[in-house]
Amino acid sequence: KAGVTQTPRYLIKTRGQQVTLSCSPISGHRSVSWYQQTPGQGLQFLFEYFSETQRNKGNFPGRFSGRQFSNSRSEMNVSTLELGDSALYLCASSWGGDEQFFGPGTRLTVL
Amino acid sequence: GENVEQHPSTLSVQEGDSAVIKCTYSDSASNYFPWYKQELGKGPQLIIDIRSNVGEKKDQRIAVTLNKTAKHFSLHITETQPEDSAVYFCAASRPGGYQKVTFGTGTKLQVIP
Repeated sequence: KAGVTQTPRYLIKTRGQQVTLSCSPISGHRSVSWYQQTPGQGLQFLFEYFSETQRNKGNFPGRFSGRQFSNSRSEMNVSTLELGDSALYLCASSWGGDEQFFGPGTRLTVL
Repeated sequence: GENVEQHPSTLSVQEGDSAVIKCTYSDSASNYFPWYKQELGKGPQLIIDIRSNVGEKKDQRIAVTLNKTAKHFSLHITETQPEDSAVYFCAASRPGGYQKVTFGTGTKLQVIP
């Protein structure tokens, strides 16, 4: 069974630009969560989608948004990038219960 | 909201020794406590989890204990091996399947051959 895949794996952007990250969950999983990981703040919850609906949201500004498609694939968008947005963005999938399985992440660098 | 504290931040052990990582949580409604291992360049990998109706769970060399009264839980790794070297995260979440998981700050474990 294929694991969670995230594309791209690495991304370099400049301040003010926007970026879209993609996540394909494990087949059959309907929940996708997004996390930001930085050395200073650790792993922080961004939001969770289940069957195309956002069920929960963390404490991030509105520049961070997401969506989920009918095939459970999810995208995360960050607009007007800031230097502080440089981080590893992780996606995790779940069938809808507690257990989450993480992808390898997308390393975003904002210059 | 939930707050999870994790100690120690770094831990060095000799190969074959045991390692213990401790976490405390603040939200008494939390009922699911997973542990993740993250190797360099990879995403966190779920290694073991425990629910609030269970006091201890074991899987080969790894065990987790939960004290609901004190609101703390621990990861125990016995007979450590060099491949156990990684960053370990504890986490806590509330019931309902709404994946708002709160993570600890991580413990960097180094197993010295």
